[in-house]
Amino acid sequence: GENVEQHPSTLSVQEGDSAVIKCTYSDSASNYFPWYKQELGKRPQLIIDIRSNVGEKKDQRIAVTLNKTAKHFSLHITETQPEDSAVYFCAAGKNTGFQKLVFGTGTRLLVSP
Amino acid sequence: DVKVTQSSRYLVKRTGEKVFLECVQDMDHENMFWYRQDPGLGLRLIYFSYDVKMKEKGDIPEGYSVSREKKERFSLILESASTNQTSMYLCASSSRGLAEAFFGQGTRLTVV
Repeated sequence: GENVEQHPSTLSVQEGDSAVIKCTYSDSASNYFPWYKQELGKRPQLIIDIRSNVGEKKDQRIAVTLNKTAKHFSLHITETQPEDSAVYFCAAGKNTGFQKLVFGTGTRLLVSP
Repeated sequence: DVKVTQSSRYLVKRTGEKVFLECVQDMDHENMFWYRQDPGLGLRLIYFSYDVKMKEKGDIPEGYSVSREKKERFSLILESASTNQTSMYLCASSSRGLAEAFFGQGTRLTVV
């Protein structure tokens, strides 16, 4: 089955710096790669996703890149702010008639003022 | 506004008890999921359902079962609770195909 590895497990940056979180996946048939943000005590929420026919996607300060050949994808956050502090999860999925997402182990991002 | 609601925020149960965790969604989603969240292990899929009365095992189904009698409701059952099932349980739902999953607020279960 699919296996998703996520690094680093924790990341501390200064406000204004960039942050990069990386994930690798094992199943070459996976074609959907969402990122979820979970603030302390709250539910995970989708922040951005990318599908295998696209190499990069941006939404304001966040971007995701996908390298299907190498089977890895990354989340980039620019101009980080304290409210970006949260746990971020990557996931990989494929449409086998029904959706099944496999999540990474999460990255705790801390943005210091 | 999208809503996935879990019946309890916190539960404390005794070892050996049968435990029911309920999840209701109001978005007419076909897919529903139960995940377990543990520190350092991320979100691990226990079971999912893609239609009423249909269910599929996830990555860690041992010790759990599920029920989906109505489209909007997905129940997770711990047949005989054990201390290693102490965890945060998250329900989620999504529309058919590869789409955003909407999560419930979570149930923190403690088995003593």
